[in-house]
Amino acid sequence: EPEVTQTPSHQVTQMGQEVILRCVPISNHLYFYWYRQILGQKVEFLVSFYNNEISEKSEIFDDQFSVERPDGSNFTLKIRSTKLEDSAMYFCASSETNTGELFFGEGSRLTVL
Amino acid sequence: DAKTTQPNSMESNEEEPVHLPCNHSTISGTDYIHWYRQLPSQGPEYVIHGLTSNVNNRMASLAIAEDRKSSTLILHRATLRDAAVYYCILRDFSSGTYKYIFGTGTRLKVLA
Repeated sequence: EPEVTQTPSHQVTQMGQEVILRCVPISNHLYFYWYRQILGQKVEFLVSFYNNEISEKSEIFDDQFSVERPDGSNFTLKIRSTKLEDSAMYFCASSETNTGELFFGEGSRLTVL
Repeated sequence: DAKTTQPNSMESNEEEPVHLPCNHSTISGTDYIHWYRQLPSQGPEYVIHGLTSNVNNRMASLAIAEDRKSSTLILHRATLRDAAVYYCILRDFSSGTYKYIFGTGTRLKVLA
């Protein structure tokens, strides 16, 4: 069964450092998403991406965040200067249609020290 | 997107059916009803979705009220592996927005 894959599974970084989280969505999917989940809290929407541009973003997704689809397969989330409060599990998701089933990856755990 | 209301937690005995309710009294005619679940230490997982008619798949059934103001996710025989947080989400296909908003969900505990 096709799946969304994310790397790294866990990254530890120092405050102020740049981090790039990578995702490989399912190959025929057209809509891509990033979510985050701070430990013990709910899953929060960050950004959606379609047709090589951001479709929608939340208030969490400020200038420190960016997304990119550098080639036909990868979808990346960059945090330019990490803060302690960026520590969370980050989930990538993709869907074939705008309203269809979301497929999530296993997540990348980011720890900012 | 319209809001959903779910109980914070529920318990079920193993191998018994579970009915997880969701209220969405402000649902619009163009909202799909989606259900996802999140097992401990995993990413969310799609369960089922529907628009107006009841839906069945290998994981569960979705019963949608005639006025669409509520729905129920039915797990026919709960197993220990079904212990998870279950999220009911409305997805408006006409809004032009591209997001699924997760609430706090229902934490299902399955008792052996």
